[in-house]
Amino acid sequence: EADIYQTPRYLVIGTGKKITLECSQTMGHDKMYWYQQDPGMELHLIHYSYGVNSTEKGDLSSESTVSRIRTEHFPLTLESARPSHTSQYLCASSVGTAKREQFFGPGTRLTVL
Amino acid sequence: AQKITQTQPGMFVQEKEAVTLDCTYDTSDPSYGLFWYKQPSSGEMIFLIYQGSYDQQNATEGRYSLNFQKARKSANLVISASQLGDSAMYFCAMREGISGANNLFFGTGTRLTVIP
Repeated sequence: EADIYQTPRYLVIGTGKKITLECSQTMGHDKMYWYQQDPGMELHLIHYSYGVNSTEKGDLSSESTVSRIRTEHFPLTLESARPSHTSQYLCASSVGTAKREQFFGPGTRLTVL
Repeated sequence: AQKITQTQPGMFVQEKEAVTLDCTYDTSDPSYGLFWYKQPSSGEMIFLIYQGSYDQQNATEGRYSLNFQKARKSANLVISASQLGDSAMYFCAMREGISGANNLFFGTGTRLTVIP
């Protein structure tokens, strides 16, 4: 079983609020990822990191930002939440070899009113 | 162009029967990996099976097998002896390159419903 955690699992918040979605993994993986997924749709990569102090934007443009100060921690922040940010956010991690799968956290379902 | 195409938005299968979920991919890189994930209604993504582009044999993991047809660029997932717990969304994904540095591209998914 993968040891990757996300909090909160569910979040309902008003427009304009600043929020941080937490993601932690205890597997020592160097690579971490954030995906955005609307209900019943495909996953879109919004951020990724190859290690400490490394962050890159993904394929889908996002107003969120990320940081990677510690190997195990990869939080995602929205400075001013909007209804268009309502979605599920999935965090994942992997080791550095091509054959290895990404391990996913349970996800955070965000609703912005 | 879409890198991963899943043409079946929804599939139904009788319990204990086998089912095939289709996946085609598009890449010019000779080195790539193909993955299948299961996503139950609870939302987490569960890794099922992996196939490398240079693997000679089709991958198998318990009741899951991957029907890899390289010339046709297809990587269909076969689930044998379906169980009610198999009802979920299933996503095919691809990583290009051999270094592991590249990211996964996901298809749009297939919703499988197992009928008792």
